[in-house]
Amino acid sequence: GENVEQHPSTLSVQEGDSAVIKCTYSDSASNYFPWYKQELGKGPQLIIDIRSNVGEKKDQRIAVTLNKTAKHFSLHITETQPEDSAVYFCAAADTGRRALTFGSGTRLQVQP
Amino acid sequence: DVKVTQSSRYLVKRTGEKVFLECVQDMDHENMFWYRQDPGLGLRLIYFSYDVKMKEKGDIPEGYSVSREKKERFSLILESASTNQTSMYLCASSLVRVNSPLHFGNGTRLTVT
Repeated sequence: GENVEQHPSTLSVQEGDSAVIKCTYSDSASNYFPWYKQELGKGPQLIIDIRSNVGEKKDQRIAVTLNKTAKHFSLHITETQPEDSAVYFCAAADTGRRALTFGSGTRLQVQP
Repeated sequence: DVKVTQSSRYLVKRTGEKVFLECVQDMDHENMFWYRQDPGLGLRLIYFSYDVKMKEKGDIPEGYSVSREKKERFSLILESASTNQTSMYLCASSLVRVNSPLHFGNGTRLTVT
């Protein structure tokens, strides 16, 4: 089955800096890669996703890049703000799979 | 806006008790999921259901069962709770199985003593 590894487990940045979280996956058939943000006391919420027919996708301060050859994808947050502090999860799946496989999570702390 | 409601925010149960975790979604989604969240392990899939009365095992189904008698409701059952089932349990629903957003509830933190 699919295996998703996520790094780092914790990340602390100063407000205004950029943050990068990286994930690798094992199944070359995977073609859907979402990212979820979990704020304290809440369930995870989708913030951006990418499919294997594109290499990069942006949404305001958030971008995701995908390298299918190397089987890794990354989340980039620019101009970080304190409200970006949360736990972020990457995930991967292919359309034939039963459900998403998640990474272990990254706790991002943005210092004001 | 999709709403996934988990009936309890916190639960404390004793070893050996039968435990029911309830989840209701209001968007007529076909697919519902139960995940378990533990520090350093991410979200692990316990069971999921793609239709009423249909269920499939996820990656860690041992010690759990599920029930889906109505489309909007998906229950997770711990037949005989054990201390290693102390965890955060997250319910989710989605329109299609994989390539659409998962909508999560706010979780139930279960402590088994």
